[in-house]
Parts: sequence; structure tokens; C-alpha cells
Amino acid sequence: NAGVTQTPKFQVLKTGQSMTLQCAQDMNHEYMSWYRQDPGMGLRLIHYSVGAGITDQGEVPNGYNVSRSTTEDFPLRLLSAAPSQTSVYFCASSFGGINYEQYFGPGTRLTVT
Amino acid sequence: TQLLEQSPQFLSIQEGENLTVYCNSSSVFSSLQWYRQEPGEGPVLLVTVVTGGEVKKLKRLTFQFGDARKDSSLHITAAQTGDTGLYLCAGAKNQGGKLIFGQGTELSVKP
Repeated sequence: NAGVTQTPKFQVLKTGQSMTLQCAQDMNHEYMSWYRQDPGMGLRLIHYSVGAGITDQGEVPNGYNVSRSTTEDFPLRLLSAAPSQTSVYFCASSFGGINYEQYFGPGTRLTVT
Repeated sequence: TQLLEQSPQFLSIQEGENLTVYCNSSSVFSSLQWYRQEPGEGPVLLVTVVTGGEVKKLKRLTFQFGDARKDSSLHITAAQTGDTGLYLCAGAKNQGGKLIFGQGTELSVKP
């Protein structure tokens, strides 16, 4: 049982490049989320999904796209990277219920130059 | 707008001291969670409090949910160097799968 896995661990992009951050979970959780973490700002929700085929925007969705074709996978796409997207990105999954307790992946550290 | 305010943001103490971290909001939450994050890793859930006034203990850590379910506190007794890390509170608002996180409290416990 690997839990939540994320790839890559580190990535450097040039402004304007696009890329996909991968996230997968093997706990059969319905809920999955993407957060970004910046110093002094905690975790901010980018996009989330309550099940396959269903996604919604979080607090900071601009510049990011998601899709959820399977229960296991929830990739995050950066369409045209900007220096403001330099951050640490965490994927999380949850079985739902009423508390949405999150299981986090190890994170992807992204630098945009 | 930060719906959950944590204080203090930074805390540096000596081993053996006690400390309290606060998580405050003007909003009511259906539940509140505390996570701990170590450098280079993702946050890990410590506890969930659900009922107003609820107190939960996890070894030397005591968590309390306010009576009005708008605030919470984390108290650590006799801190150890292994308690060093970033502590995050997060609230659920019955809005279909979303958590709202505070900005975190960075704790450093020195030997």
C-alpha cells in the first residue's frame, strides 16, 4: 500500500513551459485535492475532485488545469509556467465523510525561472 | 482572506518547556484537524476534533475545540526535540470536500 505518490520530486521550468505533475493513490479514496505551499501562507487549495469525472476550483485555480478520469489518478497541469508558480505542490486524498481528513503525498518542489 | 489564523507563526523553545498554539476563526467549522509536517515531507494528520468543547490527548499533546466550534488549541507538555516541525490546523465546513488551512506554526525545540 503506497498511499499517495507524486512525481516528479523536483522540477525546474522556464517561463512559458508547460508540464504535468502526477498524483496517484491506491486507497480507493473518492476525494482528491491539489495544494500549493508557500512560506507563511499554509496550504492553499488549487483544485479538487469529489470523484472520477468531477472537478472543481479551489482558492487559487488560475494557471492550472486538472482532470479525473480514474479514481486513482489526479494530474495537475501547468499551462504556461510563470515565476509566481514557484512553490511546493502537494496532492492529497480523502475517503470523504464529513471531515475530509487528508492523506498527503511527499510533494513536488517546482521552480520557474 | 485567511479564514483560519494561527498564532504564533514561529516558536522557539527549550526542551522541557510547555507551549500552546492557537487556531482562531470567525467562522463555524463542522470539524477541525491538526497536522504536523516535517521538512521535505507532506503533512500528517494528528487529530480531528468534532464536538464543541471536545478535548483529545495524544501522549504529551492536548487538543481542544472551542465551545462555539470557531477555534482550537494545541498544547504540548514538556516539549522534546522530536516535536520540531510545522503544525497546521485545518477546518471543514460541510462544503463538499474542501478543507481550509491556517498558515501554520513553525516550532523549534532546542536541546
